[in-house]
Amino acid sequence: NAGVTQTPKFQVLKTGQSMTLQCAQDMNHNSMYWYRQDPGMGLRLIYYSASEGTTDKGEVPNGYNVSRLNKREFSLRLESAAPSQTSVYFCASSIRDTTLGAQYFGPGTRLLVL
Amino acid sequence: RKEVEQDPGPFNVPEGATVAFNCTYSNSASQSFFWYRQDCRKEPKLLMSVYSSGNEDGRFTAQLNRASQYISLLIRDSKLSDSATYLCVVYLYSGAGSYQLTFGKGTKLSVIP
Repeated sequence: NAGVTQTPKFQVLKTGQSMTLQCAQDMNHNSMYWYRQDPGMGLRLIYYSASEGTTDKGEVPNGYNVSRLNKREFSLRLESAAPSQTSVYFCASSIRDTTLGAQYFGPGTRLLVL
Repeated sequence: RKEVEQDPGPFNVPEGATVAFNCTYSNSASQSFFWYRQDCRKEPKLLMSVYSSGNEDGRFTAQLNRASQYISLLIRDSKLSDSATYLCVVYLYSGAGSYQLTFGKGTKLSVIP
């Protein structure tokens, strides 16, 4: 039982490049989330998926897109990376959206955009 | 007023000490409250939920004061392994599938031998 897994662990991009961050959970959770964490700031929600087939914007969605591929997988795409997107990205899941306070996080992806 | 505020610390305490963290929140309609722990360069992990009546889990005690809009975390008999950043998290569900989960910036604790 791996919990929440994320790939890659580290990535360096040049400005304008694109990439997709992958996330998968094996806990049969309905809801999944993408956050970014920057120094001196709390975790900020980028996008979430309350259930398979739905996605919604969070607090900081600009510059990102998401896909809920199936119940297990939720990917985050940067179409044209910018230095402001340098951050640590965490994927998380919860049993359902109304229990989102009790979330399980993946180990994170550290992204550097030059 | 920021939605969720925490003293960033760091709190440097000796082993065996008791330490308390407070967190204030601005929206009085907030419904659920949590403490998460985040080790350096690791992901956040749920430490405990905070119930209205207060709750305890071993050396950890969480309290909620709705009137003053703050929650607290008390750690007794601190261990070196308690060194981490503690995140206060506030949940608000406003109906029709709309909800908000706000993380505080965290309070850093260092337990010193």
